[in-house]
Amino acid sequence: AQTVTQSQPEMSVQEAETVTLSCTYDTSENNYYLFWYKQPPSRQMILVIRQEAYKQQNATENRFSVNFQKAAKSFSLKISDSQLGDTAMYFCAFTYSGSARQLTFGSGTQLTVLP
Amino acid sequence: GAGVSQSPRYKVAKRGQDVALRCDPISGHVSLFWYQQALGQGPEFLTYFQNEAQLDKSGLPSDRFFAERPEGSVSTLKIQRTQQEDSAVYLCASSAYRADTQYFGPGTRLTVL
Repeated sequence: AQTVTQSQPEMSVQEAETVTLSCTYDTSENNYYLFWYKQPPSRQMILVIRQEAYKQQNATENRFSVNFQKAAKSFSLKISDSQLGDTAMYFCAFTYSGSARQLTFGSGTQLTVLP
Repeated sequence: GAGVSQSPRYKVAKRGQDVALRCDPISGHVSLFWYQQALGQGPEFLTYFQNEAQLDKSGLPSDRFFAERPEGSVSTLKIQRTQQEDSAVYLCASSAYRADTQYFGPGTRLTVL
């Protein structure tokens, strides 16, 4: 069974600066997807970025980018030019490719952006 | 609506009561998932539907938990004889056929007194 580990329960960053959230995972499969979801206090889980394991190029979505290291089973999220609205709980998640499969989540990192 | 909706947003139940939580997925989404999120934790998988078929219910914690999706759209998660340990946020997510990305609803916060 796969596991997802987020070793940073809490992090803070000054507005406009850059922060990196860490995630490692464990699986014996070769084809899978990785995600970062954001959950603000409203509880709505919002997709931030996704990465297909077969793609070597790191995914980028505006101020959000990932550093995907498949051999090391590492999937970190970099947030550039942090904004107050980025304050939220961030979850790393994993699913196998193919037909729709359940997501396995990490325990989350609470990010606070300071003014 | 454009997104996944869930109702009620908040539910308070006395221990031993039955509750029903509703999920309306994105229109046309074949796959529907239920997750349970304890306070300060990541969501954990409960069950999965493809259309009206419940293909995986391995995450349901006990036989007091029951889910259905009779017409392949709206789903209901029912918890019988609620216990305090059932207190959590229940999240519903949907995805298109064979798609990997799941879209979540706002969740239902269940508090069992």
